[in-house]
Amino acid sequence: EIVLTQSPGTLSLSPGERVTLSCRASQSVSSSYLAWYQQKRGQAPRLLIYDASSRATGIPDRFSGSGSGTDFTLTISRLEPEDFAVYYCQQCGSSPYTFGQGTNLEIK
Amino acid sequence: EVQLVQSGAEVKKPGESLKISCETSGYSFTNYWIGWVRQMPGKGLEWMAIIYPGDSDIKYNPSFQGQVTISADNSISTAYLQWSSLEASDTAIYYCARHAGGSSHGPLKYWGQGTLVTVSS
Repeated sequence: EIVLTQSPGTLSLSPGERVTLSCRASQSVSSSYLAWYQQKRGQAPRLLIYDASSRATGIPDRFSGSGSGTDFTLTISRLEPEDFAVYYCQQCGSSPYTFGQGTNLEIK
Repeated sequence: EVQLVQSGAEVKKPGESLKISCETSGYSFTNYWIGWVRQMPGKGLEWMAIIYPGDSDIKYNPSFQGQVTISADNSISTAYLQWSSLEASDTAIYYCARHAGGSSHGPLKYWGQGTLVTVSS
């Protein structure tokens, strides 16, 4: 089973700032089958990024993903008030398709 | 428009059985992997299992295999998750979600609204 470790666990930032979230895998994620999701309180997760760097339909271009192998990042270029949420990475290369433990992005 | 509509909240006692559902519409049900994700109170997401309704191929997370059963009814485009004997530790929100493409390697693009299962004596 591939274990995904996200860092940091919690991040306190202000609107307008730039943020980079990390997702590290215990072994290489095949074909960069790595996705990022955003979850707001009381809501289902929403797909942001797939295949490590492709934005899902309707996702603003301030969200970008990068990485390959075992190291992946999600960058939000300029935080908007609606971006404060929990972010999860997930690998879909090798079953079980595990999630990271999440990064909580909170308003400073 | 793709829609996944889950069954309502459940309150059960330990030892009882349960089957929750995820009714889909807006796409060809048999052509996409669909599955279940658990979220325990205040915790993160856990991938449980997926099924390909076209041929009933199933993948389980070993952590959940034997504890739950995933199934699908192609005639009504609905996926299910069932327990034969619930435990208090099964208390969680369960989301159904559909993969983006025909491969199980695609991301979970469409999500249901979640079903809260509470198990308490």
